[in-house]
Amino acid sequence: NAGVMQNPRHLVRRRGQEARLRCSPMKGHSHVYWYRQLPEEGLKFMVYLQKENIIDESGMPKERFSAEFPKEGPSILRIQQVVRGDSAAYFCASSPPGVTAGPQETQYFGPGTRLLVL
Amino acid sequence: AQTVTQSQPEMSVQEAETVTLSCTYDTSESDYYLFWYKQPPSRQMILVIRQEAYKQQNATENRFSVNFQKAAKSFSLKISDSQLGDAAMYFCAYREAQGGSEKLVFGKGTKLTVNP
Repeated sequence: NAGVMQNPRHLVRRRGQEARLRCSPMKGHSHVYWYRQLPEEGLKFMVYLQKENIIDESGMPKERFSAEFPKEGPSILRIQQVVRGDSAAYFCASSPPGVTAGPQETQYFGPGTRLLVL
Repeated sequence: AQTVTQSQPEMSVQEAETVTLSCTYDTSESDYYLFWYKQPPSRQMILVIRQEAYKQQNATENRFSVNFQKAAKSFSLKISDSQLGDAAMYFCAYREAQGGSEKLVFGKGTKLTVNP
């Protein structure tokens, strides 16, 4: 069973460009989470999605950031008009369905995308 | 809001020795999960161990074990017989139980160095 896949692993953008980060969850996992890690910091939650639904976006900046998890294909984290402060590692995690309506508690992480804004 | 505190920015241990990494958290919930993740230089986040708050027995995974003190809101990680491959950043994380927020709340991490 392949793990969580993220691409690209490294992304360089100039200020004002758009960044699109992709995440394919583990097979059978229907819950996807995005986290951001600034240098020398822990991971900070951004957004939690299920297929075609945003469940919790309380950690997403109000502007320029958006996320989706379509019925078909990977989850996408999109950052418009990037600024230098967006430089960070962005991690995706996934978890399988739980016994009840929600996900299981353990989240499995992908290798991350390192975004560098010049 | 829940918070997770790791008070040791850096720790070091001699190979084959034992080291304990500290973690405290703040919550008003009675049911939740706690995790330790390892982040080696490759930056991949690797699950080390997890603990359900309703279980009194401390979780153990091979050389890794936890000391879970629910009343004190403490969740320390003990690594026995340390190996060079254990060198990494270690992050403590908290998650509410089912029905609450699904997000993980992380501490700032402890950098572990293993000396040969």
